[in-house]
Amino acid sequence: EADIYQTPRYLVIGTGKKITLECSQTMGHDKMYWYQQDPGMELHLIHYSYGVNSTEKGDLSSESTVSRIRTEHFPLTLESARPSHTSQYLCASRGTAETQYFGPGTRLLVL
Amino acid sequence: KNQVEQSPQSLIILEGKNCTLQCNYTVSPFSNLRWYKQDTGRGPVSLTIMTFSENTKSNGRYTATLDADTKQSSLHITASQLSDSASYICVVSDRGSTLGRLYFGRGTQLTVWP
Repeated sequence: EADIYQTPRYLVIGTGKKITLECSQTMGHDKMYWYQQDPGMELHLIHYSYGVNSTEKGDLSSESTVSRIRTEHFPLTLESARPSHTSQYLCASRGTAETQYFGPGTRLLVL
Repeated sequence: KNQVEQSPQSLIILEGKNCTLQCNYTVSPFSNLRWYKQDTGRGPVSLTIMTFSENTKSNGRYTATLDADTKQSSLHITASQLSDSASYICVVSDRGSTLGRLYFGRGTQLTVWP
């Protein structure tokens, strides 16, 4: 079982609100990732980080932003949530080995 | 274009039966292929990982095969249990990417009935 955590697990929020999805890992991994996954669809990479103060956009364009001030923490922020942001957001981390370890995900519903 | 295709999209089997899930990919250059299990509302968990030189890998009742020439992989589940009900995702990594870029299939939704 990987030590990677996400909060909240579920979030229902109104349009226009600012939200932050938390992700933390205790494995000391340098590489961290955020994926977006809609039901029955594949995971899409939206952000990644090689380490502290390193953040890059992924393959899927996203209005969210991320920060990496500490190795163990990789939060994702939406400044103004919209219904189109409704999805599941998965955080992952990777050490020197090939395997990415995933958190349990946050299911976001924007009304 | 790098792609990962999985079949079938969904599968229903009875408890105790075996099943095989398929994965075809076009990712190049190829580094490795993983099978993940994703329970509903949870993040994916790695089952197996195979590199170019490996053609089979087992993890308990799960056995994955890889044919790098035809770019095909399969995941065989033996003596299925109710807890096997989940989405099984094939993930392929390209070689030489420091990012560890992964290409995900859409998954096969497996339901095991008692």
